[in-house]
Amino acid sequence: AQTVTQSQPEMSVQEAETVTLSCTYDTSESDYYLFWYKQPPSRQMILVIRQEAYKQQNATENRFSVNFQKAAKSFSLKISDSQLGDAAMYFCAYTGNTGKLIFGQGTTLQVKP
Amino acid sequence: NAGVTQTPKFQVLKTGQSMTLQCAQDMNHNSMYWYRQDPGMGLRLIYYSASEGTTDKGEVPNGYNVSRLNKREFSLRLESAAPSQTSVYFCASRPSWSISGELFFGEGSRLTVL
Repeated sequence: AQTVTQSQPEMSVQEAETVTLSCTYDTSESDYYLFWYKQPPSRQMILVIRQEAYKQQNATENRFSVNFQKAAKSFSLKISDSQLGDAAMYFCAYTGNTGKLIFGQGTTLQVKP
Repeated sequence: NAGVTQTPKFQVLKTGQSMTLQCAQDMNHNSMYWYRQDPGMGLRLIYYSASEGTTDKGEVPNGYNVSRLNKREFSLRLESAAPSQTSVYFCASRPSWSISGELFFGEGSRLTVL
């Protein structure tokens, strides 16, 4: 069975600085997608970025980028120029051939002014 | 555009009572999901429906039943609520069974079982 692990329950970053959130996963599948979702205090789940396993190039969306290391089964999220609005819980997620989306435990990010 | 709508948003139950969480999406999506969110455990999949007429168990199905009433609606039923089912429940949908598809979430339903 596939698993997703986020080992950092909480992280903090100074406004305008850069922070990296870690995620590791376990799978025997070769074709899959990885996602990062953001959950602000409103509880709404918002897609931040996605990465296809077959693409070697790391995905980027504005200030958000990933470091995808397929052999190491690692998928970290880098947030550059952190803003107060980035404060939220972040979830790493995996989906493979079954179509199910499996989430990690989440990392709460605090942004200090 | 409503997206994914869940009702009710809040509910308090006594142990042993039953209730149904309703979910409807207006995006013509094929696949629908029910998750529960607990502190320190992330989102765990309860049941999912790949398409109208099919349902399958996820990671934590015990104590729950689901019905895919039609393409739009996917309900979650607690037959005999237990305190361990106190949680925030999320319904989600996505266009197809394609693994690249983004999940669209409802706003969540907070359930407390006393």
